[in-house]
Amino acid sequence: DAMVIQNPRYQVTQFGKPVTLSCSQTLNHNVMYWYQQKSSQAPKLLFHYYDKDFNNEADTPDNFQSRRPNTSFCFLDIRSPGLGDAAMYLCATSSPPTGRLFEQYFGPGTRLTVT
Amino acid sequence: ELKVEQNPLFLSMQEGKNYTIYCNYSTTSDRLYWYRQDPGKSLESLFVLLSNGAVKQEGRLMASLDTKARLSTLHITAAVHDLSATYFCAVDPDSNYQLIWGAGTKLIIKP
Repeated sequence: DAMVIQNPRYQVTQFGKPVTLSCSQTLNHNVMYWYQQKSSQAPKLLFHYYDKDFNNEADTPDNFQSRRPNTSFCFLDIRSPGLGDAAMYLCATSSPPTGRLFEQYFGPGTRLTVT
Repeated sequence: ELKVEQNPLFLSMQEGKNYTIYCNYSTTSDRLYWYRQDPGKSLESLFVLLSNGAVKQEGRLMASLDTKARLSTLHITAAVHDLSATYFCAVDPDSNYQLIWGAGTKLIIKP
């Protein structure tokens, strides 16, 4: 089945130790998103790619970076995790422009713990 | 600035009862999405509403969209415990491939 896959599902890192989260998709969608979600709050968009075109949200800290080496894969790098970065990180994809439908398909998420 | 407001933010109800969750938004849009999230899980797409007057139903859930009133509703009929979850609405503001999210409604259905 076509899907969005995130690895790892659970990640524990130490304060200040860089960490990379990965996302892959078999949907062949143009757009990939990274969200941060805390305690059942609304997901907060960090950035998204339309193909290789990178779009950073204005309030995304510089500590967060992303890479998209090809259509299928996207990575979230947290250069120096702080305690406040502990959250669920959600990857999503969508495939405009057919009917301008931007329904987003979510991966299972990576729960990040910072010790 | 586009805002999406859900209410209530928290709802505790008995099985068998009916209730409605409201999603108001502040700018013109004719595309609205409802998602479900179980505790500790990811987001699951429930409904995609693409035009004024759109109504979609799945089991005990029915969603509707009134673009003139800038309002969507998610109606729960004869609630069952399995519907306990957090429900988010999200609006497509027709720019930059993003969705603007409501704060979510945490629904608890007691046996």
